[in-house]
Amino acid sequence: QKEVEQNSGPLSVPEGAIASLNCTYSDRGSQSFFWYRQYSGKSPELIMFIYSNGDKEDGRFTAQLNKASQYVSLLIRDSQPSDSATYLCAVRAGNAGNMLTFGGGTRLMVKP
Amino acid sequence: GAGVSQSPSNKVTEKGKDVELRCDPISGHTALYWYRQSLGQGLEFLIYFQGNSAPDKSGLPSDRFSAERTGGSVSTLTIQRTQQEDSAVYLCASSLGQGGGFSGYTFGSGTRLTVV
Repeated sequence: QKEVEQNSGPLSVPEGAIASLNCTYSDRGSQSFFWYRQYSGKSPELIMFIYSNGDKEDGRFTAQLNKASQYVSLLIRDSQPSDSATYLCAVRAGNAGNMLTFGGGTRLMVKP
Repeated sequence: GAGVSQSPSNKVTEKGKDVELRCDPISGHTALYWYRQSLGQGLEFLIYFQGNSAPDKSGLPSDRFSAERTGGSVSTLTIQRTQQEDSAVYLCASSLGQGGGFSGYTFGSGTRLTVV
């Protein structure tokens, strides 16, 4: 079992819809959780991070964390074609310093 | 600097040659990481430097790969006797170190290595 799992997709949503990207992790001691966006041919860029159970909102993005279920998600409201990218979930374990473990990413396609 | 700087941005080399890839992290970031990403694949961890501590080399795929970080700042990743399977984008990232304030990595723009 991989430490951080994501559905590779592609996840296809129409423009204006809510895109829901999911990630599960195996280390129950994980402390913090990060979402990165990677456009084709570009390097990953940080969208947001979350430490505490519940929701964290930043503009059109909402990160949701449920540590009991070892599940973190990213919701993108009012999806735009420019949101089409691969979204990487990354987890910081409790005993790994600042090392992040990355999932394989979910490819999102937003269709006009 | 303002961001993580990597050079060269592109490198084409002949099989069997040695290559050096350079990374200049964000000023004040004590942690530095190297990853590689093959076409259409996820991020593969290579090596992690934290301050003056011994680096975590657990991700280096073979003894042809090595990295150093001089003066706690600039890092060089060296691949000796390159093979075609080494072709990938090599990404460097930096972050604040141990303790509070960690808010994830900042990645450089990468070096695309092609071994022919």
